[in-house]
Amino acid sequence: QLVESGGGVVQPGGSLTLSCAASNFTFSSYGMHWVRQAPGKGLEWVTFIWFDGNTKYYADSVKGRFSVSRDNSRNTLHLQMNSLRAEDTAVYYCVRDQSAARPWFFDLWGRGSLVTVSS
Amino acid sequence: QSVLTQPPSVSAAPGQKVTISCSGSNYNIGNNYVSWYQQFPGTAPRVLIYDNDKRPSGIPDRFSGSNFGTSVTLDITGLQPGDEAEYYCGVWDSSLSAEVFGTGTKVSGL
Repeated sequence: QLVESGGGVVQPGGSLTLSCAASNFTFSSYGMHWVRQAPGKGLEWVTFIWFDGNTKYYADSVKGRFSVSRDNSRNTLHLQMNSLRAEDTAVYYCVRDQSAARPWFFDLWGRGSLVTVSS
Repeated sequence: QSVLTQPPSVSAAPGQKVTISCSGSNYNIGNNYVSWYQQFPGTAPRVLIYDNDKRPSGIPDRFSGSNFGTSVTLDITGLQPGDEAEYYCGVWDSSLSAEVFGTGTKVSGL
């Protein structure tokens, strides 16, 4: 199970951190993603982190502004979002990859956390 | 703008077959495995197909995937009202070092 938290309303230029609590599986054995979906729009991949946290990939749209991290001792994934823009408004999903390192496919999704960037 | 192209919508009568296409390039579909996701309004997506044509346990064999080089298709046979949803293809793009999704296809019954 994956449960996101930390969403809410933030002003443009502000910061927010999302967290994802994992349970009922060996969190440290899986790569993890964040995927977002703007209201009424399609899926957009945001970032991927290897099982051990040593390698990370980012979408160009968030590179330099967002940072993904994980705490395997606490079974938790984080997404630090800075310099937020209106176009970052979306439901953010925490997603497990079936692979530990090289991305394969998304086999477990959280329910999502809504982030709204608005003044 | 997505690098993977899907038709915005497809429809068929109950019991019939629909085919959803997903077109990409050698950087993504041509060299990596594609997966397909189903999403109902207000809920998280779920995986239907991985490795182009494999079904996770619990997915009916009415759903099948095929690969044609730089494009793939998802077939839904025996369409049911419960299949009306949005469908997305997804694949790793080796040139972008990023996962990319298709534009999404809404499946409706006639």
